[in-house]
Amino acid sequence: EPEVTQTPSHQVTQMGQEVILRCVPISNHLYFYWYRQILGQKVEFLVSFYNNEISEKSEIFDDQFSVERPDGSNFTLKIRSTKLEDSAMYFCASRMTDTYNSPLHFGNGTRLTVT
Amino acid sequence: EDKVVQSPLSLVVHEGDTVTLNCSYEVTNFRSLLWYKQEKKAPTFLFMLTSSGIEKKSGRLSSILDKKELFSILNITATQTGDSAIYLCAVPEYGGANNLFFGTGTRLTVIP
Repeated sequence: EPEVTQTPSHQVTQMGQEVILRCVPISNHLYFYWYRQILGQKVEFLVSFYNNEISEKSEIFDDQFSVERPDGSNFTLKIRSTKLEDSAMYFCASRMTDTYNSPLHFGNGTRLTVT
Repeated sequence: EDKVVQSPLSLVVHEGDTVTLNCSYEVTNFRSLLWYKQEKKAPTFLFMLTSSGIEKKSGRLSSILDKKELFSILNITATQTGDSAIYLCAVPEYGGANNLFFGTGTRLTVIP
């Protein structure tokens, strides 16, 4: 069964550094998402992306965050200047359509640790 | 503001027990409710419910929705240690791109 893949599985970085988290969504999916889960807290929506542009973003997704689909398969999340509070599990997700009855398929996540 | 509340927050049972997990919601323009299972990493999709009173079933797991009372339950019968996970309930947010709004989850631990 096709799946969403994310790399790396774990990233450790120093405060102020830039990180890029990578995702390969399921190949025939058109809608892509990033979610974040701080340890012990709920899964939170960051951003949705369709047709090479952001369709919606949450309050968490401020100017230090950006997303890109650099080629036909990858979908990346860049955090420009990491802060301690950015430490979390970051999940990429994709789905075929954006209708309410189209479930999201999640990758295994990248655990980001900012020291 | 839309809300999804799950209970209990955590639950410890013995293998073979039956459990019921609860999810209540207050959302504008409800359309669907989804259940996910999160083991160590990715949430994996279990069920999507859109209609009241129609049970969705997959093996030992089943779920039902009550749109009048605004809640859903997830039942697991004859629990096994492999059922240990966090069970997440989510609803699409009103407006925008139907992004999912998650509850805090119920952590289920099944002990042998």
